Amino acid sequence: GQQVQQSPTSLVLQEGENAELQCNFSTSLNSMQWFYQRPGGSLVSVFYNPSGTKQSGRLTSTTVIKERRSSLHISSSQITDSGTYLCAMERKGGNYKPTFGKGTSLVVHP
Amino acid sequence: GPKVLQIPSHQIIDMGQMVTLNCDPVSNHLYFYWYKQILGQQMEFLVNFYNGKVMEKSKLFKDQFSVERPDGSYFTLKIQPTALEDSAVYFCASSLEQGDAETLYFGSGTRLTVL
Repeated sequence: GQQVQQSPTSLVLQEGENAELQCNFSTSLNSMQWFYQRPGGSLVSVFYNPSGTKQSGRLTSTTVIKERRSSLHISSSQITDSGTYLCAMERKGGNYKPTFGKGTSLVVHP
Repeated sequence: GPKVLQIPSHQIIDMGQMVTLNCDPVSNHLYFYWYKQILGQQMEFLVNFYNGKVMEKSKLFKDQFSVERPDGSYFTLKIQPTALEDSAVYFCASSLEQGDAETLYFGSGTRLTVL
């Protein structure tokens, strides 16, 4: 079955609203990373966050290993935040082949 | 930040031909990866590579696929012969370490179209 589940599949916001993206794992976690995929396709690492909470500007990531989940919070969304957000996890005992979720497509309107 | 470069950005070839996708990873990185993404679909792991060897490959890494990094130069993905279903964007990634200090850096992808 699908090891990485992302929700929601898509999200439409007005500029200034907050967004909460979720990533749930079906196996024990060794590491996880959030990526932003631009409309043109290139990937940018947003957070490497295997556990705990990390913040960078308007973005906050929280990973709770026991609950096998990670979240990405975007506060005061901007039009330039539009794109697809992917999480990738590496399971415990894996031979480092990070598995991606299907992504959350975010559209921020003015 | 660290950059992974992929050349070319687009490649169009006829079915049955050979194609080589090139990746210039971050200079001091030790682990290398290829992922495949069909338009609008999930990013799928193909293969990882360390110390001159494939560590693990997925079911998508068919017998027609091969990877190498001769003399520390480009990390390449070769497909010979290509098939229609190989059309996708191929992303290369690299990382310094495996394990807790891991961070993957991705290239911008090579869009492969097989006609």
